[in-house]
Amino acid sequence: AQKITQTQPGMFVQEKEAVTLDCTYDTSDPSYGLFWYKQPSSGEMIFLIYQGSYDQQNATEGRYSLNFQKARKSANLVISASQLGDSAMYFCAMREAGGSEKLVFGKGTKLTVNP
Amino acid sequence: GAGVSQTPSNKVTEKGKYVELRCDPISGHTALYWYRQSLGQGPEFLIYFQGTGAADDSGLPNDRFFAVRPEGSVSTLKIQRTERGDSAVYLCASGGYGSGANVLTFGAGSRLTVL
Repeated sequence: AQKITQTQPGMFVQEKEAVTLDCTYDTSDPSYGLFWYKQPSSGEMIFLIYQGSYDQQNATEGRYSLNFQKARKSANLVISASQLGDSAMYFCAMREAGGSEKLVFGKGTKLTVNP
Repeated sequence: GAGVSQTPSNKVTEKGKYVELRCDPISGHTALYWYRQSLGQGPEFLIYFQGTGAADDSGLPNDRFFAVRPEGSVSTLKIQRTERGDSAVYLCASGGYGSGANVLTFGAGSRLTVL
């Protein structure tokens, strides 16, 4: 069973507008972490934001915020005031507590910001 | 170094040949991960090192794949008898010890093409 599901293969947004990228996850572990990474065409994975399963508040990092709905097992990324440089692939990932602490990634969403 | 360095950035080889991909993690990072990213997919976990030992190699697809980290820093991913299906970008990531918000820093990847 897929642990991370990103249902939007591609998204388009106008420059300066906000966009939400969806992510749902599946785990029975009460302790886990959720991550979003950006991958521009250069290929490097860039860390954006982290949300712990026990965090009471939604994580925010500059223009990025994570809409964490634990009961629905969703961790959507919100990008405010989109910029042309935001055009990239975006990956949601989860780490479960214990074990190798590896990240399990979704298939990603390609975001295109239009001028 | 300041970031995770991977060499070569591009490797073209013929089916059946042996390939080595190198990863130089961030100095002091004890955790090292190898991932494989096929076209249009998210990164898939291959192997995790904590120090010198392979703590989790459950993602290695078969016994043609092997990785070492003899001194707890640089790691080499080795692929024997390469097949066309091995063509992908191989990503290396490193991080400090511990779970939770431990963020992995990724290298730019080694693109392997098997002809």
